[in-house]
Amino acid sequence: EVQLVQSGAEVKKPGESLKISCKGSGYSFTTYWIGWVRQMPGKGLEWMGIIFPGDSDARYSPSFQGHVTISADKSLTTAYLQWNNLKTSDTAIYYCARTFRRVAPSDYWGQGTLVTVSS
Amino acid sequence: QSVLTQPPSVSGAPGQRVTISCTGSSSNIGARYDVHWYQQLPGAAPKLLIYDNNSRPSGVPDRFSGSKSGTSASLAISGLQAEDEADYYCQSYDGLADSVVFGGGTKLTVL
Repeated sequence: EVQLVQSGAEVKKPGESLKISCKGSGYSFTTYWIGWVRQMPGKGLEWMGIIFPGDSDARYSPSFQGHVTISADKSLTTAYLQWNNLKTSDTAIYYCARTFRRVAPSDYWGQGTLVTVSS
Repeated sequence: QSVLTQPPSVSGAPGQRVTISCTGSSSNIGARYDVHWYQQLPGAAPKLLIYDNNSRPSGVPDRFSGSKSGTSASLAISGLQAEDEADYYCQSYDGLADSVVFGGGTKLTVL
């Protein structure tokens, strides 16, 4: 059974760093892309970026380039989303999702990780 | 402002048919990139509903259908049921931005 299991909810202060994770199982982790999607409170879905764990090729949406870092450890079958300087506006639910090609649909999604940034 | 434009809300009575539009441009839907649709129930992760414009994943009822023409796409839901009340999002790829793009989402209310 294909599963994407994300790390638990986080509460952070502005300026802090954070790395959340998405562990894939039940499929060949290195042959599918993993994308990250932001959903701010009461708002819609926003595509952040995507990574191919096979070679760690990462691509970013222009809106998120330079603000986050996407990485993966294929030995752990885990993808990551990282911030170095959190802002209150980063408060959101973050989803990871599997996709076969960059233009293809995301067929499996993680359960989401709630990140709250507040002073 | 989303790259793909959807109506903020639609509604319909049980048993009726509703459609949700998704309007793009020549760099995404009009560039022949496929459109996919997701359903997000309250408090849940999105679920793939329609892929490649008009295909349904296994387990999705045939009450859900998709179409695409020019720079727009549509999701149709027939035989509305209370359980269909959710947010619906279209997705495509934008060649100019070299990135996946979503519509702003449409809230479906079953009256």
